Amino acid sequence: DTAVSQTPKYLVTQMGNDKSIKCEQNLGHDTMYWYKQDSKKFLKIMFSYNNKELIINETVPNRFSPKSPDKAHLNLHINSLELGDSAVYFCASSQRETGLNEKLFFGSGTQLSVL
Amino acid sequence: AQSVAQPEDQVNVAEGNPLTVKCTYSVSGNPYLFWYVQYPNRGLQFLLKYITGDNLVKGSYGFEAEFNKSQTSFHLKKPSALVSDSALYFCAVRESRGSTLGRLYFGRGTQLTVWP
Repeated sequence: DTAVSQTPKYLVTQMGNDKSIKCEQNLGHDTMYWYKQDSKKFLKIMFSYNNKELIINETVPNRFSPKSPDKAHLNLHINSLELGDSAVYFCASSQRETGLNEKLFFGSGTQLSVL
Repeated sequence: AQSVAQPEDQVNVAEGNPLTVKCTYSVSGNPYLFWYVQYPNRGLQFLLKYITGDNLVKGSYGFEAEFNKSQTSFHLKKPSALVSDSALYFCAVRESRGSTLGRLYFGRGTQLTVWP
């Protein structure tokens, strides 16, 4: 009954590979996000989708491609992985993207290690 | 430009003592302020928020935060710390106008350690 679930929890892969991280929320929220947390714990938004539509696309390499098949799912595909992609990736959701007082619900994170 | 600053990377406090985790912000419109907590190997969890009204906001686990408009601060406080409060705390702000309307910006986090 986890609200925001993402898989896998750990992902270890070689440089140059392509990998995907999946996220699902069962809260009925309209908006989903991907955040990247670096080794210094700095948290930065990457993408935001509202009802399957891309809303926010921060300065992220185009090797990163989000896909939202429906509003309950937001997957992150990464092509040609690089060492600098190593980080913890968090999926999150909220009721509405423009709701100023909306709180975010986070998944437990995917630790990506690129060797 | 919007920003959030948490001036302390680490805060250490003895159990039973009061704790404060500092946060200052900069936005062009009215700020909507949040505190989140991250326990080891977990995602962030919402603690509390300030939207409008009373400057003292009460949240989960006995935490509270005080909004100070003149000092552009939103410090997190707890009267009596517990060892289980040890975690990483993030301050965040949403802007109320402009091209980044609604976007949430996080501070760099403050590691709180409460020792027995």
